[in-house]
Amino acid sequence: QVNLQESGPGLVKPSETLSLTCIVSGDSISRFYYSWIRQPPGKGLEWIGYIHYSGDSNYNPSLKSRVAISVDTSKNQFFLKMTSVTAADTAVYFCAAGWGAGAGDMWGQGSLVTVSS
Amino acid sequence: EVVLTQSPGALSLSPGERATLSCRASQSFTNNHLAWYQQRPGQTPRLLIWDASNRGAGTPDRISGSGSGTDFTLTISRLEPEDFGVYYCQLFGTSPTFGQGTKVEMK
Repeated sequence: QVNLQESGPGLVKPSETLSLTCIVSGDSISRFYYSWIRQPPGKGLEWIGYIHYSGDSNYNPSLKSRVAISVDTSKNQFFLKMTSVTAADTAVYFCAAGWGAGAGDMWGQGSLVTVSS
Repeated sequence: EVVLTQSPGALSLSPGERATLSCRASQSFTNNHLAWYQQRPGQTPRLLIWDASNRGAGTPDRISGSGSGTDFTLTISRLEPEDFGVYYCQLFGTSPTFGQGTKVEMK
């Protein structure tokens, strides 16, 4: 089991880049796949992408051109960058860990990111 | 790209009743990498079922998953107060995706 904690700015301006960090504790970061998942206010879950320490990664086709996920095994952290954000990117962003690619066996508490000028 | 469609959109039931939730995939996948999550209001999603029928840690026996191919079902045999919330199915693996959710509300 791992504990996950998201961190990053709660407010991002339109057209700028959203950057979030997920801090992993409790076990080696190499044991699981790690995902970013978001939930717009009052709506359902949307998978953004996943990464494995081995380099295996994949992204939601609808977001692929704007998203990059990376991992720093030395710091037990992984990261989300989303470029050219708009109001439609306003959501709670969750980091999650799982035995399978994209699965959410364990979740962070979520970080609300609002896109507004 | 696989699309998951959940039905019904909402269920209104009383404690003690049986809940049956459906998740249908637009194309068949043979590895059964289908998960179910519960999200209570204001809380983080929690894994209930993985690989279609395996209970996650802490999932009570009254909650079970079944299905294969394109049709999957989550069954709650007798609803407890803590079972009310929104349930999502998810295909995980190479190209993960979520269903749109089924809300189970108290009648």
